[in-house]
Amino acid sequence: GAVVSQHPSRVICKSGTSVKIECRSLDFQATTMFWYRQFPKKSLMLMATSNEGSKATYEQGVEKDKFLINHASLTLSTLTVTSAHPEDSSFYICSAPVNEKLFFGSGTQLSVL
Amino acid sequence: GENVEQHPSTLSVQEGDSAVIKCTYSDSASNYFPWYKQELGKGPQLIIDIRSNVGEKKDQRIAVTLNKTAKHFSLHITETQPEDSAVYFCAASETSYDKVIFGPGTSLSVIP
Repeated sequence: GAVVSQHPSRVICKSGTSVKIECRSLDFQATTMFWYRQFPKKSLMLMATSNEGSKATYEQGVEKDKFLINHASLTLSTLTVTSAHPEDSSFYICSAPVNEKLFFGSGTQLSVL
Repeated sequence: GENVEQHPSTLSVQEGDSAVIKCTYSDSASNYFPWYKQELGKGPQLIIDIRSNVGEKKDQRIAVTLNKTAKHFSLHITETQPEDSAVYFCAASETSYDKVIFGPGTSLSVIP
């Protein structure tokens, strides 16, 4: 069964609003989680590394004020897309390592109108 | 930083035939090489992984090989079935607890 749970699976929002995506580790603690972004028919691009109890580490070119990451507990990391615009529309996926393997959530399709 | 290349970008095979996908990586510090299968609209599913202390690993119809000297690793799927049709990604990282860098993906179509 799934070890990483991600919600919502799909969200449609108006331009200018903020959207929060949750990533939960099931039955294990994750001090680190990773957030990826994927455009249609493209590969997964790492956005940031979420660290429990400390600031996230963002990849070059990713706006930290646009994509807020909070990892307040050992089982939950959240990604908030602030003031979303149509160009933020994408498939967002989280992942977490467990038992020396890296598992992914089911992804969130964000559509900004 | 790490750069992962993957070939071919698309692959069509007849049901029952084998499929091979090849990847190369650039960072000699990489030691963990997972392979993921992604179906449309879903998150990537880990299908097999290999670490640098192993040259080959097999799980039923799926096998992976690793040549650390040449920085090459490959996925082999035997006796392909229509349900194997999906996009496959190779990836590399130092460990499973470090950030994983993905290849561009291979769209596999298995023709019944």
